[in-house]
Amino acid sequence: QQPVQSPQAVILREGEDAVINCSSSKALYSVHWYRQKHGEAPVFLMILLKGGEQMRHEKISASFNEKKQQSSLYLTASQLSYSGTYFCGTTGNNRKLIWGLGTSLAVNP
Amino acid sequence: EAGVTQSPTHLIKTRGQQATLRCSPISGHTSVYWYQQALGLGLQFLLWYDEGEERNRGNFPPRFSGRQFPNYSSELNVNALELEDSALYLCASSKGLTLYNEQFFGPGTRLTVL
Repeated sequence: QQPVQSPQAVILREGEDAVINCSSSKALYSVHWYRQKHGEAPVFLMILLKGGEQMRHEKISASFNEKKQQSSLYLTASQLSYSGTYFCGTTGNNRKLIWGLGTSLAVNP
Repeated sequence: EAGVTQSPTHLIKTRGQQATLRCSPISGHTSVYWYQQALGLGLQFLLWYDEGEERNRGNFPPRFSGRQFPNYSSELNVNALELEDSALYLCASSKGLTLYNEQFFGPGTRLTVL
């Protein structure tokens, strides 16, 4: 079952914060976050494992709520370089990595 | 360290033909993943190979197949091409037999089916 990402798109001014959510209807074992800039390949941000700690990549952090089967990506004091599409991927017991449709983030000066 | 490489960059085929896409992982990586990225559909997982074996498969018909060679490079074959197969095909590699390692993506092969 494909995870649902929200919002689908967000526009920020430089320095503003944003939260991107990733929800699944199935029990999750891990959540993967990647960012893809236009015309480029996706780049790894972080992986959150069941029972693991909150992770951080520069000023981007993420949490994983196993009970709610949900992960949230927190972008703090956004920079122009944060623009791109953010994908979450989830794994369950079947070890298949299923990706969400992505959240498009645009950071303007 | 060289990244993941894919060839060709672009591929144009007609309906019913076969397409072969190639991927070379980062040195030392044994796992190779294939994804289809069609407009508006995000990343769709196709196949996962490790140590020459298919470890997992996404929800794609059998005409999507592949293999991994002893040097860990991989090939994706798409038979009986359909118009909806037009997409960017991304290959990624990671160390080891686990889904919990970072995946490094290649630049992709843009397949156009006419």
